[in-house]
Amino acid sequence: GQSLEQPSEVTAVEGAIVQINCTYQTSGFYGLSWYQQHDGGAPTFLSYNALDGLEETGRFSSFLSRSDSYGYLLLQELQMKDSASYFCARDDKIIFGKGTRLHILP
Amino acid sequence: NAGVTQTPKFQVLKTGQSMTLQCAQDMNHEYMSWYRQDPGMGLRLIHYSVGAGITDQGEVPNGYNVSRSTTEDFPLRLLSAAPSQTSVYFCASRVGQSSYEQYFGPGTRLTVT
Repeated sequence: GQSLEQPSEVTAVEGAIVQINCTYQTSGFYGLSWYQQHDGGAPTFLSYNALDGLEETGRFSSFLSRSDSYGYLLLQELQMKDSASYFCARDDKIIFGKGTRLHILP
Repeated sequence: NAGVTQTPKFQVLKTGQSMTLQCAQDMNHEYMSWYRQDPGMGLRLIHYSVGAGITDQGEVPNGYNVSRSTTEDFPLRLLSAAPSQTSVYFCASRVGQSSYEQYFGPGTRLTVT
């Protein structure tokens, strides 16, 4: 199977750090992507991991551990504009998880 | 570049009607996909194409047809609309199968009554 599991919701405080986890089934795995989607908008690409380790892009970082079939998205110095849904996605066909809604409190 | 464009933005259909959702990209991307997004279900892959003349099924292909006669266009056809097809439809493109950065169109919100 190709399913991915993410928490449905996460809440954090402005200025803090939050981690959004994603676990996946291993068959046919190629790599893990992360996308952000604001309400009413289209998903936008954030990052991709094909190999184990951390990829950093500004305030956002993504981590992959293929031995644990696990990855996460780390958002630092949270801003109110980061309130959105975040999706992990896998494989060359790009299959998405159900998404995590991030709520940020002032 | 306009990126990925979709028409229409909104559509209401009656059960049994057919229609085509249009998708075009001007980035010369080989790979294009259609997704539907329903509340709590994330984005589910309907059909995809790795290049002109080549299409394949995704996770939820039933009730939908696609064709890819040109690199730029990837229309999605609903053969006989059903209320279960009420959803937001996104078209996406990327450079090729080995590229993971996918660009999405603005979406089409479809309601079937």
